[in-house]
Amino acid sequence: DTEVTQTPKHLVMGMTNKKSLKCEQHMGHRAMYWYKQKAKKPPELMFVYSYEKLSINESVPSRFSPECPNSSLLNLHLHALQPEDSALYLCASSQPYDRALYGYTFGSGTRLTVV
Amino acid sequence: AQSVTQLDSHVSVSEGTPVLLRCNYSSSYSPSLFWYVQHPNKGLQLLLKYTSAATLVKGINGFEAEFKKSETSFHLTKPSAHMSDAAEYFCVVIPNTGGFKTIFGAGTRLFVKA
Repeated sequence: DTEVTQTPKHLVMGMTNKKSLKCEQHMGHRAMYWYKQKAKKPPELMFVYSYEKLSINESVPSRFSPECPNSSLLNLHLHALQPEDSALYLCASSQPYDRALYGYTFGSGTRLTVV
Repeated sequence: AQSVTQLDSHVSVSEGTPVLLRCNYSSSYSPSLFWYVQHPNKGLQLLLKYTSAATLVKGINGFEAEFKKSETSFHLTKPSAHMSDAAEYFCVVIPNTGGFKTIFGAGTRLFVKA
């Protein structure tokens, strides 16, 4: 399996809602990433998990809460979001020490709209 | 400091004509360079990569790129554009210095006219 699967594909949520984005990979990768991508912009790194431990938090607001339950799963819990958080959220995976050789595998993303 | 510059925000070609998407990089160390493609509302798909082996790299869907250290460039080419090539293309640098730093170019939107 060479895919990263993200669910849901689309999500509309109110500013008081709580929702979660899910990401799953079965490539044996031990690093997983959340990226945020606004329209016509490159992806921006939010969080990195390496061997199921949070390695990088790029000063992301606390209304975004990541979770890595095991080496195959990555969640992003959302609470009290703002309209400006509307974006495409991408999950990616890689081997932690082989990124420069193999790059990343990206999921298809979740299109989030906050109303 | 590392950086990536994609020299064109938009490129428009006619179907069947060559494609050239330009990328220049700056890196203190020999980097690994990647091109990714993103179709609308999709994730990023790896097209090809340079990781210090052959300087002319072949990728999927007929794309190629040549690493030129003297020009610090990694331009993406394709001999004949197809309508399905219309997408956003990102040049990406991953420094060979450890850590999780990754530098994305701003992207180039490729339009293909019938």
